[in-house]
Amino acid sequence: KAGVTQTPRYLIKTRGQQVTLSCSPISGHRSVSWYQQTPGQGLQFLFEYFSETQRNKGNFPGRFSGRQFSNSRSEMNVSTLELGDSALYLCASSPGGTGNVEQYFGPGTRLTVT
Amino acid sequence: LAKTTQPISMDSYEGQEVNITCSHNNIATNDYITWYQQFPSQGPRFIIQGYKTKVTNEVASLFIPADRKSSTLSLPRVSLSDTAVYYCLVGPGAGSYQLTFGKGTKLSVIP
Repeated sequence: KAGVTQTPRYLIKTRGQQVTLSCSPISGHRSVSWYQQTPGQGLQFLFEYFSETQRNKGNFPGRFSGRQFSNSRSEMNVSTLELGDSALYLCASSPGGTGNVEQYFGPGTRLTVT
Repeated sequence: LAKTTQPISMDSYEGQEVNITCSHNNIATNDYITWYQQFPSQGPRFIIQGYKTKVTNEVASLFIPADRKSSTLSLPRVSLSDTAVYYCLVGPGAGSYQLTFGKGTKLSVIP
């Protein structure tokens, strides 16, 4: 079974621009979560989508948004980029049912804002 | 969500058993304990999860005392490839999709 894929792997943007990151979950997985990882703050939860609906949301400003499509693929958008948005953005998928959940992470997208 | 405390870093020689302890004094009744491993520039990888006593899989063992206020991840006979950051997470098992990561423990395996 193919793992979680994220595109692009690396991205360089200028402050003020916007960016869209893509995540394809493991086949059959319906839940997709997004995390931001920086050296200073560590791994922080952004949001989680299940069946095209945002189910959980972390403590990030409204510039960070996402969506999920009917095939469970998800996109994350960051508008009006700031230097502090430079980070590794990780996507994780899981089956989405109840009970204990193991999340499967992708390799991440390294975003650099200049 | 229960807060976790783990050592910032640990060193070990190849072939030794490594035990990483995590403290979670405020763990709730329905909380599970989960460990993830992360290599540089990669996403975290699930290692093991448990609720109480001992859980073992092909890569690690997880020991949880009766009061569940701490847990110990045991890695048998580590190799250089086990050099990574190890995260202890505590949270509701059922329907929990929001993982809260702490600072983790950076394990360095020395030849």
